[in-house]
Parts: sequence; C-alpha cells; structure tokens
Amino acid sequence: DAKTTQPPSMDCAEGRAANLPCNHSTISGNEYVYWYRQIHSQGPQYIIHGLKNNETNEMASLIITEDRKSSTLILPHATLRDTAVYYCIVRVEDSSYKLIFGSGTRLLVRP
Amino acid sequence: NAGVTQTPKFRVLKTGQSMTLLCAQDMNHEYMYWYRQDPGMGLRLIHYSVGEGTTAKGEVPDGYNVSRLKKQNFLLGLESAAPSQTSVYFCASSRLRTGIETQYFGPGTRLLVL
Repeated sequence: DAKTTQPPSMDCAEGRAANLPCNHSTISGNEYVYWYRQIHSQGPQYIIHGLKNNETNEMASLIITEDRKSSTLILPHATLRDTAVYYCIVRVEDSSYKLIFGSGTRLLVRP
Repeated sequence: NAGVTQTPKFRVLKTGQSMTLLCAQDMNHEYMYWYRQDPGMGLRLIHYSVGEGTTAKGEVPDGYNVSRLKKQNFLLGLESAAPSQTSVYFCASSRLRTGIETQYFGPGTRLLVL
C-alpha cells in the first residue's frame, strides 16, 4: 500500500509557483521522501528527495515539516512543460530499496 | 550514456502467446526493477533484482518471470499472455547507496494482449 496521500489534481498559471502537498503521517525516522514526475506516458523522472531539512536543486524545492508528517514540492516558476503527474514516495525501508508509487497529483499548468 | 533502454517499444500479442521484454542499462547499476502501469494508475512493481543472478517478487508478480544473467540486463517474460497483462511496462535501475534511492527509468514498452 502507498504510504502517502496526495490531491488527485491541481492547476496553476504559467510563471507562477506550483505548490504540491503530500501527507506521509506514518513515515519512519530514517525514511526519505522522494518526488518523481511522469510527463505524458514517459518513464518517471526523479526530481528531488529529502530526509529532514528543506532541499533545493535546479528543478524544485522540497519543504518538509518539522514533524515530517507532510511535505510540499515547489516548482518556483511553472512552465507548460511542467504539466505532468507528480508522485510523492516514501521509500520502503528494507534492503530492496523499492519505491511504492501511489496515484500522484496531476498538475496542469495553464497558459 | 544511453541510460536505460527497453526493447521493444510496442508489441501486440494474442492470448496465450509468450514474449520477453528486454531492459538494458549502461550505468553499472546494481539494482534493476520492472513496473507495470495501467491507464490512470501509478506504477506497480512486478519483480526486481538487487544484483546479477538474483531476483525477487514485487507487488504483482503473478504471470511474469524474470532473469538477470548479466548485470546490465534484466529480462521480463510472459509465458502465456492474458488480456489483463495489457499495460505499459517500465524498467528502472539504481545504484546501491544506503538510504538514498534515485531510480532511472526507461521509456516504456506498450503491450496489447488481444
């Protein structure tokens, strides 16, 4: 079973920030939060991951609450190419390093 | 680097036929995975491998077999295809790093079973 909860869909205007929430209330202390996205039937693409601290890379920022029960992926200046399904994933804590994908959030960036 | 490649890109099978999907990666990754994705749904793990010569079952392994004879290749076999196996199949690979997991995905194989 997926260990995360995300809204099924969101939209934002091009050029504005897109803030995608994720709840992971049962996360364990040493489990990382990962974000992937899938653009129209392509293979999923890694975006960012984090454990406790906020993280930023060239694609996005990840804000994790202090209790680690939720997080937000921020795309600072969304473009039409960011229209995709975004998956928030908590890695299964065993030696297989499996990722369990949920249904994700379908983000539509409007012109 | 080509990354992760999948062969074929698209295939149509009749019920009962068999086929093998090939996944290849040139990143020297230890871990490899096979997922399926049905319309409107997230990916589900079929089988995975933590190294050459090893395989293990994922969430939905029934009806599939896998082999990892070489580190760079991961084969997914359907012995007797069924319409329920119509799906898009994605292969992924990752490097062994404790606590951190970044999977690299292939472009997918679209399979239609009639």
